[in-house]
Amino acid sequence: NFMLTQPHSVSESPGKTVTISCTRSNGSIASNFVQWYQQRPGSSPTNVIYENRQRPSGVPDRFSGSIDSSSNSASLTISGLKTEDEADYYCQSYNRRNHWVFGGGTQLTVL
Amino acid sequence: EVQLVQSGPEVKKPGESLKISCKASGYTFTNYWIGWVRQVPGKGLEWMGMIYPGDSDTRASPSFQGHVTMLVDKSISTAYLQWSSLKASDTAMYYCARRAFGEDSFDYWGQGILVIVSS
Repeated sequence: NFMLTQPHSVSESPGKTVTISCTRSNGSIASNFVQWYQQRPGSSPTNVIYENRQRPSGVPDRFSGSIDSSSNSASLTISGLKTEDEADYYCQSYNRRNHWVFGGGTQLTVL
Repeated sequence: EVQLVQSGPEVKKPGESLKISCKASGYTFTNYWIGWVRQVPGKGLEWMGMIYPGDSDTRASPSFQGHVTMLVDKSISTAYLQWSSLKASDTAMYYCARRAFGEDSFDYWGQGILVIVSS
């Protein structure tokens, strides 16, 4: 199997742009799609990016996703940060047996 | 409107059995996988597995296989997660979630069930 490693925390000011990385331990990041979820305190997670870069309906275009094969990682970028973006963010992917894996999560602070 | 409504919080003792539920509405239950995700308080999300209500096909994480059982009752559009013998380490929030059709993401989530296992 593989692991997805995320930074424990990131912080940035309102209006700025922040990028959260998600590095796959083995196997190519490009071999299986990566999803991203937002979890605000006390709430269930919600999907903000699927299939590496697609946004579900209702997710603002301030949220974008990408993958980088050279670093074997995926990234979630949030531009024009708002205080409401303060949450934990998790990446997720899967392996050939269709077993899913979540990253450890990144706490985003908007201050 | 798609909804996944989970049963209420549970407090159990080690060794006891437990079955928690996730009732789906607003879509054809048998056409979408239902997944289960564990979140230990203050920790991250862990994928436990998924079940396809149409034929009860399952995919289980090796970390949870053999300790929990995923079930469905198609007649009432409800998925279940069942333990025969709880451990203190099972204390966590448990979410059910619907796998998006044709994708490898969860598009709808239940509100979560807090399970506390303590002597």
